[in-house]
Amino acid sequence: DGGITQSPKYLFRKEGQNVTLSCEQNLNHDAMYWYRQDPGQGLRLIYYSQIVNDFQKGDIAEGYSVSREKKESFPLTVTSAQKNPTAFYLCASTAGQGKTGELFFGEGSRLTVL
Amino acid sequence: AQTVTQSQPEMSVQEAETVTLSCTYDTSENNYYLFWYKQPPSRQMILVIRQEAYKQQNATENRFSVNFQKAAKSFSLKISDSQLGDTAMYFCAFMKPLFGNEKLTFGTGTRLTIIP
Repeated sequence: DGGITQSPKYLFRKEGQNVTLSCEQNLNHDAMYWYRQDPGQGLRLIYYSQIVNDFQKGDIAEGYSVSREKKESFPLTVTSAQKNPTAFYLCASTAGQGKTGELFFGEGSRLTVL
Repeated sequence: AQTVTQSQPEMSVQEAETVTLSCTYDTSENNYYLFWYKQPPSRQMILVIRQEAYKQQNATENRFSVNFQKAAKSFSLKISDSQLGDTAMYFCAFMKPLFGNEKLTFGTGTRLTIIP
């Protein structure tokens, strides 16, 4: 079945360490997104990518980095510069035209900084 | 910048009853899309319903329908004959359509509990 796979589901990190969250999709979607979800704040956009080898900052990109070397993959690195990294991270993709706004989400990765 | 407001952090309703979730938004755009997304406990977020602003007719998907009031910038979701599986976080979202640059702005969510 087609879908979006995020890993790991749970991750613990010590302060000062970088961590990379994986996001893979087999939906043949061009656009991919990373959102951060915090209680009472909804979803906030971190980074997004419309095509391979291109990506743009979202509303809260500071302390995060991404790459898009393959259409199927859009990993997110949470760097030590992110001051409050404990959160639930959601990866999503969209088919674009004809399915405007219909995001397909992964199951999420919960990051806890100890 | 667009903003989306969901003023009901939590709601609960008896099974089989009807419940309405509220959403308001602020934009100067005339053409846009509005969405309701559902996030069940420990499960993936999925699209419930979509409304295009230029369409006057309210969108309907089975037991889910919206009341879209463009002038009032209001977009409420009505769930009829509620079921236990409707228990979830519900997010209202706004999108200004830009070719090749679709970004959604989400509200803070409403946690809905269906009581058996």
